[in-house]
Amino acid sequence: LAKTTQPISMDSYEGQEVNITCSHNNIATNDYITWYQQFPSQGPRFIIQGYKTKVTNEVASLFIPADRKSSTLSLPRVSLSDTAVYYCLVAPTGGATNKLIFGTGTLLAVQP
Amino acid sequence: DVKVTQSSRYLVKRTGEKVFLECVQDMDHENMFWYRQDPGLGLRLIYFSYDVKMKEKGDIPEGYSVSREKKERFSLILESASTNQTSMYLCASSILAGGQETQYFGPGTRLLVL
Repeated sequence: LAKTTQPISMDSYEGQEVNITCSHNNIATNDYITWYQQFPSQGPRFIIQGYKTKVTNEVASLFIPADRKSSTLSLPRVSLSDTAVYYCLVAPTGGATNKLIFGTGTLLAVQP
Repeated sequence: DVKVTQSSRYLVKRTGEKVFLECVQDMDHENMFWYRQDPGLGLRLIYFSYDVKMKEKGDIPEGYSVSREKKERFSLILESASTNQTSMYLCASSILAGGQETQYFGPGTRLLVL
């Protein structure tokens, strides 16, 4: 399974766009990418998922370049409530559910 | 909305006690998981179940067992609790759509073993 690498922490201010990049150099052809968000004392929450190019939903955008060796989660106009840990996961299509690896994630701190 | 509930938010147990952590999901998901989360270590998979009475070991199954007698319920059992099992325990269920899986987590149980 592809190992992922993310920054340990990032700082931002309210209203800014935040981009969190995840490196997955060993991603396999049939792997897809998922991002989760976790607030303190809560379980992680699904944000967005994709295989290639760009995916957008009401919360975020996910950019995946052609070589798929990295992906970027983009949060538009963050607010204080976006302060959380963000996890990037890589997993094979079709489900290898016992192989999902949540790393230590990226702690995003949004300041006023 | 998918709902995953866990029986307790906080638990305090003594070393050697048998501990049961219960998890229930209401979306008829096939897969259910138990993770533990410790500072600096991320989430680590203890066990997962892909059907009733079916289970597979995760990365750190030692000291734990699980039970899945009904589809909606997945229990984690600490046969003899030890202080190194003090942790946050997270249950999840998942759905596979278009070959891609989404996990839904419960609120977590913070277990303290004295």
